[in-house]
Amino acid sequence: KAGVTQTPRYLIKTRGQQVTLSCSPISGHRSVSWYQQTPGQGLQFLFEYFSETQRNKGNFPGRFSGRQFSNSRSEMNVSTLELGDSALYLCASSWEVRPAGQFFGPGTRLTVL
Amino acid sequence: AQKITQTQPGMFVQEKEAVTLDCTYDTSDPSYGLFWYKQPSSGEMIFLIYQGSYDQQNATEGRYSLNFQKARKSANLVISASQLGDSAMYFCAMRENNNNDMRFGAGTRLTVKP
Repeated sequence: KAGVTQTPRYLIKTRGQQVTLSCSPISGHRSVSWYQQTPGQGLQFLFEYFSETQRNKGNFPGRFSGRQFSNSRSEMNVSTLELGDSALYLCASSWEVRPAGQFFGPGTRLTVL
Repeated sequence: AQKITQTQPGMFVQEKEAVTLDCTYDTSDPSYGLFWYKQPSSGEMIFLIYQGSYDQQNATEGRYSLNFQKARKSANLVISASQLGDSAMYFCAMRENNNNDMRFGAGTRLTVKP
């Protein structure tokens, strides 16, 4: 069974631009979560989607948004990029039954110049 | 409030020896899951082991075992017979049944010395 895939793997943007990251979960997983990882803040939860609905949201500004499609694939968007948005963005998928483990993708490393 | 605490920023262990990575947690939810992940320098988070709050026995997965002490709210990871490839960041995480997000500790960087 294929794992979680994320595209692109690396991205360089400049301040003020916007970016869209994509995540395809493991087949059969309907829950997709997004995390931001930085050296200073560690791993921080962004949001979770289940069956195309946002179920939970972390403490991030409205510039961070996401969506999930009917095939469970998810995208996250960051508008008006700031230097502090440079981070590794990790996507994880899991079964709907809780508590359940999450399986992570390789991440997208975003650099904002 | 910090829900997951990993007090060891860095640990060293000699190859082939065992090492324990500490993790304590805080929750009022009676149903929860505890997880350990390994993150090598490549960045990918690799799931290692899971312990459910109602599990009677400590979880084991190959060379990994979880020392679960529910009353003390601790879930330490034990790696036996360390290998050079075990050098990585290790994260303890918790997911409560009433909460949708996974909370992670700050991580412990393990270095295995030859």
